[in-house]
Amino acid sequence: SYVLTQSPSVSVAPGQTASIACEGNNIASKSVHWYQQKPGQAPVLVVYDDRDRPSGIPERFSGSKSAKAATLTISRVEAGDEADYYCQVWDSSSDHHVVFGGGTKLTVL
Amino acid sequence: QVQVVQSGAEVKKPGASVKVSCTALGYSFTGYYLHWVRRAPGQGLEWVGWINPNNGATSYAQKFQGRVTMTRDTSIRTVYMDLSSLRSDDTAIYYCARDRAIAGATLSFDAFDVWGSGTMVTVSS
Repeated sequence: SYVLTQSPSVSVAPGQTASIACEGNNIASKSVHWYQQKPGQAPVLVVYDDRDRPSGIPERFSGSKSAKAATLTISRVEAGDEADYYCQVWDSSSDHHVVFGGGTKLTVL
Repeated sequence: QVQVVQSGAEVKKPGASVKVSCTALGYSFTGYYLHWVRRAPGQGLEWVGWINPNNGATSYAQKFQGRVTMTRDTSIRTVYMDLSSLRSDDTAIYYCARDRAIAGATLSFDAFDVWGSGTMVTVSS
């Protein structure tokens, strides 16, 4: 089955830029989505289809993708951005299953 | 307002079954796939499966096949997730989430844009 790999944690000072990577085999051929989950809350979609933002999501959140990895970038990080971030794809080759990465804990120092 | 509303918390004994509901409001119930995702304590998000509310088609993660059943009742715009043979490691918050993709003739999925608030399922003797 398809696997998405994320680093367990990333730390960044307020005002700096955080980059969260998501690696997967042939990820260039898949649409990657990103979710933010804060403690005690449901996940929130922050980037879909590699780089698009839902309405209401600040421009500070952006997505990109290379041949090897997708990246969620958070510019001018704020204390309120501290959360778990997950990447997700649809694996059309395995009974149309959905796969999440293991998640990255963003700590704002 | 587009939302999905889930049933309340459940406490079950090992070996029992649990049925969690998710009611869709503010949009075409049969137009979009609904997924179930869980998060166990100390773990990440884990996809359980999806249901097409239009025709009842389902697909489940390998890990849950044989133990999970997803159904729908179009008259009350509600989908259900039934998980049987519960174990302590099934203790988790279970979320219902809407897929952005239209549930059409061709299977195609996108991001999850609307999430329920979650249903806590506790499995304990």
